Amino acid sequence: GNSVTQMEGPVTLSEEAFLTINCTYTATGYPSLFWYVQYPGEGLQLLLKATKADDKGSNKGFEATYRKETTSFHLEKGSVQVSDSAVYFCALSLLRNTGNQFYFGTGTSLTVIP
Amino acid sequence: NAGVTQTPKFQVLKTGQSMTLQCAQDMNHEYMSWYRQDPGMGLRLIHYSVGAGITDQGEVPNGYNVSRSTTEDFPLRLLSAAPSQTSVYFCASRDRGQGYQETQYFGPGTRLLVL
Repeated sequence: GNSVTQMEGPVTLSEEAFLTINCTYTATGYPSLFWYVQYPGEGLQLLLKATKADDKGSNKGFEATYRKETTSFHLEKGSVQVSDSAVYFCALSLLRNTGNQFYFGTGTSLTVIP
Repeated sequence: NAGVTQTPKFQVLKTGQSMTLQCAQDMNHEYMSWYRQDPGMGLRLIHYSVGAGITDQGEVPNGYNVSRSTTEDFPLRLLSAAPSQTSVYFCASRDRGQGYQETQYFGPGTRLLVL
């Protein structure tokens, strides 16, 4: 089946530390990959996406590269800020007859402390 | 544009009560979906719609009904609430787009507690 597995949280980092949140996927077909971010009390917002192998998505200092050979889409940021504290969801989408079907990971909570 | 709006933000129900969670979008998106978010489970798709008058079941449809009479609105109905339906509910919409380019837009969520 289709699924997304991301690293267990919560993750606590000091400001300016390096961030990696691992994400691997299983999919039948050729998925697009996404990272969504959920700030406290809000809905999910798209952070970045990649639509084919070797593509790199980037936004707000975050990056993730679509690795087909390892079926991974790890999220990285070189220097986190307190404002990056949120829950991060990895997701994939596959094209179906009725449109794209989305599958979400369980989310990883990140807390950045000053 | 207001984007995707949801009401109410928070609701407490007693077991057996019914209610409707409202969702509206002003982006003229054809696709709309309802998800529930539970700890350790991520987001799970309840129902979705690919256009006015067309709905279908997602991964966890039991206990929920939907209808889509207009492009803008996609209400989710709980006919007889159960404690297992305590969750945070998110509505999302997206344009038809071009294949893999579709991006979902989420509402702020409705937090539901069933006693």
